[in-house]
Amino acid sequence: DIQMTQSPASLSASLGETVTIECRASEDIYNGLAWYQQKPGKSPQLLIYNANSLHTGVPSRFSGSGSGTQYSLKINSLQSEDVASYFCQQYYDYPYTFGAGTKLELK
Amino acid sequence: QVKLLQSGAALVKPGASVKMSCKASGYTFTDYWVSWVKQSHGKSLEWIGEIYPNSGATNFNEKFKGKATLTVDKSTSTAYMELSRLTSEDSAIYYCTRRLPMDAWGQGASVTVSS
Repeated sequence: DIQMTQSPASLSASLGETVTIECRASEDIYNGLAWYQQKPGKSPQLLIYNANSLHTGVPSRFSGSGSGTQYSLKINSLQSEDVASYFCQQYYDYPYTFGAGTKLELK
Repeated sequence: QVKLLQSGAALVKPGASVKMSCKASGYTFTDYWVSWVKQSHGKSLEWIGEIYPNSGATNFNEKFKGKATLTVDKSTSTAYMELSRLTSEDSAIYYCTRRLPMDAWGQGASVTVSS
């Protein structure tokens, strides 16, 4: 199985700050990567797919980048509604696997 | 809009089975794979498997083969997942999702395994 190592596990940032979350795959996943946001008590929601494509309706302050085994999610100008957990997922190969998640809090 | 409506919470005894549903609306059910994802309390996400409603074709995470059975009812646009021989390790929230990437999620169904 492809292992997804996500960092950091938790993150505290101030409003307006830029934050970056990283995800490393155990092998090349050829941009088959998505990022999801999960708010407390809610279902995950798709943010980014194919490593860098913004899902419909997602604010442009979210962006994804990377290639090969290294990927990142950047949130510009952090808003209070961005407090959530974030997960990466590879869908290049079976079984689809997720990172352990990053919990983002406000400082 | 696309909606996936899941069945409610279940409390089941160890060794028993549970079957949950996921009713799709707002799109052509038979055109998109439906995946199922497990989230144990406070933890990350695990992909269980997927089914293509048009043909009934399935793919599974090896970890869940023999544990999960996926079916669909095309007449009601509903996907089902049955979990068998339940143990405490199966206590979790289960989500159904649409396609890849997972662009729509059900609200989740909580399963608690307890005697």
